Amino acid sequence: LAKTTQPISMDSYEGQEVNITCSHNNIATNDYITWYQQFPSQGPRFIIQGYKTKVTNEVASLFIPADRKSSTLSLPRVSLSDTAVYYCLVGGNNDYKLSFGAGTTVTVRA
Amino acid sequence: EPEVTQTPSHQVTQMGQEVILRCVPISNHLYFYWYRQILGQKVEFLVSFYNNEISEKSEIFDDQFSVERPDGSNFTLKIRSTKLEDSAMYFCASIGRTSNTGELFFGEGSRLTVL
Repeated sequence: LAKTTQPISMDSYEGQEVNITCSHNNIATNDYITWYQQFPSQGPRFIIQGYKTKVTNEVASLFIPADRKSSTLSLPRVSLSDTAVYYCLVGGNNDYKLSFGAGTTVTVRA
Repeated sequence: EPEVTQTPSHQVTQMGQEVILRCVPISNHLYFYWYRQILGQKVEFLVSFYNNEISEKSEIFDDQFSVERPDGSNFTLKIRSTKLEDSAMYFCASIGRTSNTGELFFGEGSRLTVL
């Protein structure tokens, strides 16, 4: 399983765009990149998943460069309720040990 | 929306006691996981389960831990003789009707307090 590295924390203000970059230099060919959000005392919640290039859904975008050694989660126009820990997880089909890294604590201020 | 349910939400036990945490994964999912999160720390992988057997386990998952899928719906984590350091939130998750790519669905967790 590819090891991931993320910033420990990021601060932002309401209405701003937040970009969190995750490094995964040892990503394997069949690995997907998945991001989760976790609020205190709750289970992680899926945000977005991608394999290459760009993926967008109703809450976020995921940018993956051609070498796939990193990925960037983009949260547009954050609000106070986006304050949470964000985890980048890398793993592929039949990769049964889906392990989380340390995560990035995002704090959104008014 | 489908959801993973866990019981109990909170359990307090004495050191040395056995604890069973229960989970009902999403119907028709094939891959099941237990994770642990000590207060203030990251989510740690414990074990994965597929096709009625453990497919991967971490170094945390020692002989004191066991998992079982006793019927078609429940997925349990047993800690045989709890230690103080077992105090944590335990999350169950399930994924995939055909593969284990895609979205991991987590339950709300079971908080275990060992006294």
